[in-house]
Amino acid sequence: EPEVTQTPSHQVTQMGQEVILRCVPISNHLYFYWYRQILGQKVEFLVSFYNNEISEKSEIFDDQFSVERPDGSNFTLKIRSTKLEDSAMYFCASREGTGQETQYFGPGTRLLVL
Amino acid sequence: GENVEQHPSTLSVQEGDSAVIKCTYSDSASNYFPWYKQELGKGPQLIIDIRSNVGEKKDQRIAVTLNKTAKHFSLHITETQPEDSAVYFCAASKMDNDMRFGAGTRLTVKP
Repeated sequence: EPEVTQTPSHQVTQMGQEVILRCVPISNHLYFYWYRQILGQKVEFLVSFYNNEISEKSEIFDDQFSVERPDGSNFTLKIRSTKLEDSAMYFCASREGTGQETQYFGPGTRLLVL
Repeated sequence: GENVEQHPSTLSVQEGDSAVIKCTYSDSASNYFPWYKQELGKGPQLIIDIRSNVGEKKDQRIAVTLNKTAKHFSLHITETQPEDSAVYFCAASKMDNDMRFGAGTRLTVKP
């Protein structure tokens, strides 16, 4: 069964550094998402991406964040100048298309900012 | 924007008992309501979903009910088993829009 994959599974970085989290959505899906989950808290929407552009972003997704689909398979989240409070699990999700609402989540990347 | 409230935050049941988790949403235009199960260290996995034109949906031991008038929906798990222990999240979205999640319910099924 096709699934969303994410790399790395864990990432430790120093405060102020840049990190890139990578996702490979399910191959025929057209909508891509990033979510964040701070330890013990709810899953929070960050951004959605369709047709090579951001379709919606939350108030969390400020200028520190950017997303990119550099090729036909990868979908990346870049966090510039990381802060301690960026430590969280970051989940990528993808959805097939209009009328197909189900989002399939990847296993997540655990980011720890020291 | 959409706001989803979920209760209870923790739920402990004996194996074989039923578990019910409830959610309310604020945006009457929301029309898709999935439930996700998250096991430790893993991403959320869809277990059941319901669309706004349906009042109830069942899949083996799992059922979801939706009351659009009251803007609430519930997850029912019958004959609970220890492997049902996990965190369960409800969510709500509008067509082609993005999901908003509830805060989660940590379900513990005691053998």
